[in-house]
Amino acid sequence: AQKVTQAQTEISVVEKEDVTLDCVYETRDTTYYLFWYKQPPSGELVFLIRRNSFDEQNEISGRYSWNFQKSTSSFNFTITASQVVDSAVYFCALSEMETSGSRLTFGEGTQLTVNP
Amino acid sequence: EPEVTQTPSHQVTQMGQEVILRCVPISNHLYFYWYRQILGQKVEFLVSFYNNEISEKSEIFDDQFSVERPDGSNFTLKIRSTKLEDSAMYFCASSEGGTALFEQYFGPGTRLTVT
Repeated sequence: AQKVTQAQTEISVVEKEDVTLDCVYETRDTTYYLFWYKQPPSGELVFLIRRNSFDEQNEISGRYSWNFQKSTSSFNFTITASQVVDSAVYFCALSEMETSGSRLTFGEGTQLTVNP
Repeated sequence: EPEVTQTPSHQVTQMGQEVILRCVPISNHLYFYWYRQILGQKVEFLVSFYNNEISEKSEIFDDQFSVERPDGSNFTLKIRSTKLEDSAMYFCASSEGGTALFEQYFGPGTRLTVT
């Protein structure tokens, strides 16, 4: 069975603060992909990043960075110098190549509110 | 930039009625998906479709659901006899396949309200 846990239901920060969204996953597969999606108030799902299980390098894209640690089965997402436009629900997702094809299993999501 | 489109954006229907949700995937994509999101909850996988047949489906995707690619551009989800609990946002997604198989691009969603 696969499972994605986002323990933080809601986070509220003030603009310019750094914020980290946690994601812990469970899988028996050795080959899998992890994702982050953003869902702004308008409702669409915006792809942010994909990481495969063999690539543990951290990634930085502008104010966004991701920390993938297989030893703790975590794939955390940090927003540096948060902005009001970052307010959204953020979903972590898992895809197991070996057992369940390309379907995505999503976590419950973290509602991030950035206050001015 | 190419994008997945979905129509309608909002559909209201009465319990027991049939609905068809429509999606136009990105043109060179080969894999198609439907997901749903009940209000305030997580996104759940329904079905994936490749080469004109279902490749995977979840336990949610029971006999009242069906999918079809009626032509070269549309991908539809039909719910035969809607129930109140089918009220949700339905997302279509597509991916190119190959090394980009796991990069799914989502449409804006169709909000289905069953009364």
